[in-house]
Amino acid sequence: DMKVTQMPRYLIKRMGENVLLECGQDMSHETMYWYRQDPGLGLQLIYISYDVDSNSEGDIPKGYRVSRKKREHFSLILDSAKTNQTSVYFCASRGQYAEQFFGPGTRLTVL
Amino acid sequence: GQQVQQSPTSLVLQEGENAELQCNFSTSLNSMQWFYQRPGGSLISVFYNPSGTKQSGRLTSTTVIKERRSSLHISSSQITDSGTYLCAMGTNSAGNKLTFGIGTRVLVRP
Repeated sequence: DMKVTQMPRYLIKRMGENVLLECGQDMSHETMYWYRQDPGLGLQLIYISYDVDSNSEGDIPKGYRVSRKKREHFSLILDSAKTNQTSVYFCASRGQYAEQFFGPGTRLTVL
Repeated sequence: GQQVQQSPTSLVLQEGENAELQCNFSTSLNSMQWFYQRPGGSLISVFYNPSGTKQSGRLTSTTVIKERRSSLHISSSQITDSGTYLCAMGTNSAGNKLTFGIGTRVLVRP
């Protein structure tokens, strides 16, 4: 069963703390994505990864960085989280026919 | 830049009614996907449909590339169809990126 997983599902952090969001997929997809979703703004692309150590900025990369050391894992890192980074974060991977598969999301609250 | 417009923004249906959701694009596309999302839930792919018509149960998607639009038809709506429907498009110039619409919120009442 094709799957994208995300950990943790819920996270509360204080402003200035570091945050690590993890994503995994078992489909050997080369391309993976990190999005955030905010009310009224829809989904915004943060970073895209084309394969191991081949990452590219999306539309809103400021304040974020990513790491992809294995094809099946893609991490999103917030160094010194800010309150405006409170959001729901989704990871996705791209299938061979360009279809995207989404993970369950991580709800991050930065106090 | 690329824009994706969805209409209507929200819709209230009586159970059993049909509905048509629209998605219009500002540029020509090479990929197009419809998603369903429950409040607080993830995005579930409903259709990947870059051109033509596809049907799955009570749902039908039609994408007309020349007219830069895609539609999602819900027939005989059920309460469990309630949620938000998002469309997303990709273009040759955007590589592997999708641009998402804001979504259509559907509420089906008994």
